Amino acid sequence: GQNIDQPTEMTATEGAIVQINCTYQTSGFNGLFWYQQHAGEAPTFLSYNVLDGLEEKGRFSSFLSRSKGYSYLLLKELQMKDSASYLCAVQGNKLVFGAGTILRVKS
Amino acid sequence: DVKVTQSSRYLVKRTGEKVFLECVQDMDHENMFWYRQDPGLGLRLIYFSYDVKMKEKGDIPEGYSVSREKKERFSLILESASTNQTSMYLCASSFGQQETQYFGPGTRLLVL
Repeated sequence: GQNIDQPTEMTATEGAIVQINCTYQTSGFNGLFWYQQHAGEAPTFLSYNVLDGLEEKGRFSSFLSRSKGYSYLLLKELQMKDSASYLCAVQGNKLVFGAGTILRVKS
Repeated sequence: DVKVTQSSRYLVKRTGEKVFLECVQDMDHENMFWYRQDPGLGLRLIYFSYDVKMKEKGDIPEGYSVSREKKERFSLILESASTNQTSMYLCASSFGQQETQYFGPGTRLLVL
């Protein structure tokens, strides 16, 4: 079977750092995606990890451990506009999405 | 920039009506996908297509059909809409089968 788990909601303060975790069990693994989705809008691509380790892209970083079936998205210097849902998706034979983590950034 | 467009942002239909949701991408992508998104369930794959006139069932195809007559256009059809098909419908496309998917803005469908 396929299962992707991420926290339902998180709250953090503007300027802080937040880590959103994702654990997965899938049949086959060809990479892991993170998407950002603002309310009422389309998901937009943030990052893609296929090898173990940390990928950094500006304020956002994504980490993968294939042996542990684990990834996280790290957001630094949080801004109010980062309030959104963050979707973890695993590419096996097809792309399977987690339910998403709603991040609320407060001032 | 990849652009994926969907024919409607909001749609209200009655039970039993036939509903067409259209999706067009302008990047010559081979692959196109239809998902529905419901609170607490995430995105679930309804159908996908790897080529013109080709279609494959996703995880929840019941009650839906699709059409891909041209490479840039992928249509989702609800033959007889039911209230449990009230949802957000998202179309996506990608160049390779396992490459980044780019999403349209979504169609929020309400079936009364």
